[in-house]
Formats: sequence, structure tokens, C-alpha cells
Amino acid sequence: EIVLTQSPGTLSLSPGERATLSCRASQSVRDHLGWYQQKPGQAPRLVIYDASNRANGIPARFSGSGSGTDFTLTITSLEPEDFAIYYCQQRSTWPVTFGQGTRLDI
Amino acid sequence: EVQLVESGGGLVQPGGSLRLTCVVSGFTFSDHAMNWVRQAPGKGLEWVSSISSSSNYIYYAASVKGRFTISRDNAKNSLYLQMSGLRVEDTAVYYCARYGSSWADPNFFDYWGQGTLVTVSS
Repeated sequence: EIVLTQSPGTLSLSPGERATLSCRASQSVRDHLGWYQQKPGQAPRLVIYDASNRANGIPARFSGSGSGTDFTLTITSLEPEDFAIYYCQQRSTWPVTFGQGTRLDI
Repeated sequence: EVQLVESGGGLVQPGGSLRLTCVVSGFTFSDHAMNWVRQAPGKGLEWVSSISSSSNYIYYAASVKGRFTISRDNAKNSLYLQMSGLRVEDTAVYYCARYGSSWADPNFFDYWGQGTLVTVSS
């Protein structure tokens, strides 16, 4: 099973700042990595798929990069609605696995 | 508008059974593989099970294999999860989630329901 390790655990920033979230895989997942946003009491929402592709309706301030074992989710100029927990997920190998999450706090 | 609505959660004793249902609308259900993903209180996400669009391929996480059964009825736009031999550690919000393709091979979950809470406790 591929283990995904996210860092930092919590990131405290202010609206307008830039957020950089990391996800490291225990073995290569090629570009088969995605990111989800989850707000309190809500279901996760797909943000990025296959490392760098924005999902439907996701603003351009969200971008993803990386391949192999190291991936980054970048949010330029944070909006108040961006503060949430972000999870990475790999689809390279059975079983699908998720990272433990990064909480993005104001 | 794509909608996935889960139901059937509740309180059950250890060793008991429960059947979850997910009714979908807003897309052609028979074109998509479907999944159950769970989230224990205050914890992260865990994939539980996947079923291909025609039910030909079914997969389970090791933690539930032999106890849970996923199924679907394309005529009723419905996905099911029959859970038996429930354990305290199965306590979680269970989400129904769609794959973007018909295959049950690993993919990303592009739409999710709001979840239904299953609590296993004596």
C-alpha cells in the first residue's frame, strides 16, 4: 500500500497570501495524484486530478505540480473560502490511498 | 445537477448489520463506476469499496473484505453497501462517490454525496 505523507499538518495564513501544501508518496505514483478540499460538515471536493489538472469549477488560483513521489498544491492569493482541510490521493496502485490532510487555517 | 444522496446510517451494536443506500440523479448512472469512502470522526478519508458500471468488477479494502458487500441497481439509479459483522472501528461517515469512468480501477472521485453516519457502539 502506498503511503502519502502531507506537510505541514497545519498551515496558518491570511487572505491574500500564497499557500504551498506538500504531499510525498512512499513510492512513485507517476502523475496519478489528486487533491481534495473539505470544509467542516461537508463532503470532500475534487480540486486537482492527475497532478496538475483543475477539476470542473475550480478557480485558476489553484494549481498542482509534481510527479513521481513529490507533489505540491499551490493556492495563490488565498480567499476566505479556501480555508479548509486538503487531502491528497493516489490512483496509481491498489488500494486507493489518501494522505492524512493539511489544515489550512486563517 | 449531479446529486448523490446517502441514507441508512444509524446506531448499531457491534456484530450487527446495516444497509446503506445512495440514490443518484443528474447523470447517467450506468455509465459510471461508483464507490464508498468513509471518514471516522475527526479522521482522514479511507476508501472502502468500488463497483464498475455493470457490476462486473468489485473491489474491497482489506479492512472490510468478507464483511461488506457493495452492489448497484442501474434501473433504480441506486448504489448499496450491505455491512455485517460491524465493529466499533467501522464508526464513520460513509460517503457515496462517483468515478469519472465506467471502470472500477483506481481513479479520482469527482462527485460525492453528503454522507451518512454509522455509529457502532454497545
